[in-house]
Amino acid sequence: QVQLRQWGAGLLKPSETLSLTCAVQGGSFSGFYWSWIRQPPGKGLEWIGEINHSGYTKYNPSLKSRVTMSVDTSEKQFSLRLKSVTAADTAVYYCARLSSSSTWGQGTLVIVSS
Amino acid sequence: DIVMTQSPDSLPVSLGERATINCTSSQSVLYSSNNKNHLAWYQQKSGQPPTLLIYWGSTRESGVPDRFSGSGSGTDFTLTISSLQAEDVAVYYCHQYYNYPLTFGGGTKVEIK
Repeated sequence: QVQLRQWGAGLLKPSETLSLTCAVQGGSFSGFYWSWIRQPPGKGLEWIGEINHSGYTKYNPSLKSRVTMSVDTSEKQFSLRLKSVTAADTAVYYCARLSSSSTWGQGTLVIVSS
Repeated sequence: DIVMTQSPDSLPVSLGERATINCTSSQSVLYSSNNKNHLAWYQQKSGQPPTLLIYWGSTRESGVPDRFSGSGSGTDFTLTISSLQAEDVAVYYCHQYYNYPLTFGGGTKVEIK
């Protein structure tokens, strides 16, 4: 049963860069797309983008200019960087595999505050 | 972008009664090449990540109780909980994976009446 473990800084100042990493444990890394999704406090889900084991990416156009995703196949990890954050980027960030047998990380609350 | 609209926003239901959640997509999510609806339903309990209930519009994820069912095609979909249990209190989201960007509905909060 695949599990996702994620980590990264939880408190940022405006204009800083958000950086999160997700490790895939107990399952295959290749052959799937790995997503990042965020959820502002008390609100709904927003898909940020996805990456596969080859590094092929798809980003949400609403965030594309600030997002970079990368992959480390040897470690079975994938990462998210979101630059120039503002208070509007405050949210719980999840890594996930959205296919059947969907799996999500535990979530990381990222607060942007001066 | 495909806009997913859910109704109602909040749904109070008595224990043992039926709960019905609707989801409408701004364009069809029925993919002609595989004749499948690229539509999923997620359940999110307080303080937890979402969990997958239904995919392809009506296929129940392994381990999901059979009181949960999905129906519909094209642009109109329904998630039904046939007999509400206390552990079903949660927010439910529909999600389209027909095209990019992937999008979610705004959520329906199911609570006990």
